Amino acid sequence: GDSVTQMEGPVTLSEEAFLTINCTYTATGYPSLFWYVQYPGEGLQLLLKATKADDKGSNKGFEATYRKETTSFHLEKGSVQVSDSAVYFCALSPQGGSEKLVFGKGTKLTVNP
Amino acid sequence: DAGVTQSPTHLIKTRGQQVTLRCSPKSGHDTVSWYQQALGQGPQFIFQYYEEEERQRGNFPDRFSGHQFPNYSSELNVNALLLGDSALYLCASSLDPGQATEAFFGQGTRLTVV
Repeated sequence: GDSVTQMEGPVTLSEEAFLTINCTYTATGYPSLFWYVQYPGEGLQLLLKATKADDKGSNKGFEATYRKETTSFHLEKGSVQVSDSAVYFCALSPQGGSEKLVFGKGTKLTVNP
Repeated sequence: DAGVTQSPTHLIKTRGQQVTLRCSPKSGHDTVSWYQQALGQGPQFIFQYYEEEERQRGNFPDRFSGHQFPNYSSELNVNALLLGDSALYLCASSLDPGQATEAFFGQGTRLTVV
């Protein structure tokens, strides 16, 4: 079935460091791919998305490129801030619509000043 | 716009009891999905409602049931609660499940079964 695998956490970085969180997926169709962020005590917020191969999603300095050949959607940010501390979830929508989302287990990021 | 609102925010129930969780979707949204997020895990899809009918269902037992009302709000019911049902329950709303639109999540209901 459809699944998402993301790098195990937690990840601890210093402010202004470069961030990469790896995400790979398995899907039978043509999924849309997402990164969601969850701040402490809050629900999920969409960070960025890509709906087809080679699309790049970007938001708030974060980027991820839909790589069909490697079935990957790695999240990157050039310079993290303390306010980026949160749990990041990679997810896919199997048929590309807003039907069910399949999530990875999440990666907790802590950024120290 | 109040976004997606869920109630209650926290709930403690005893094993074997029944619970009802409520969700009001974002204004203009007609589709509601429910997810269970165990501690330290990603959300797991329970089911989705559209036009007052269950459209999709994840791998959850029949103890989990739901309803969508004409105003698009939704309820999640869980019968015969087990300790393992303790989790954060998230509601997400979106437009027409056939389109690649963003799902907006509520802050969740934290259910503790003792």
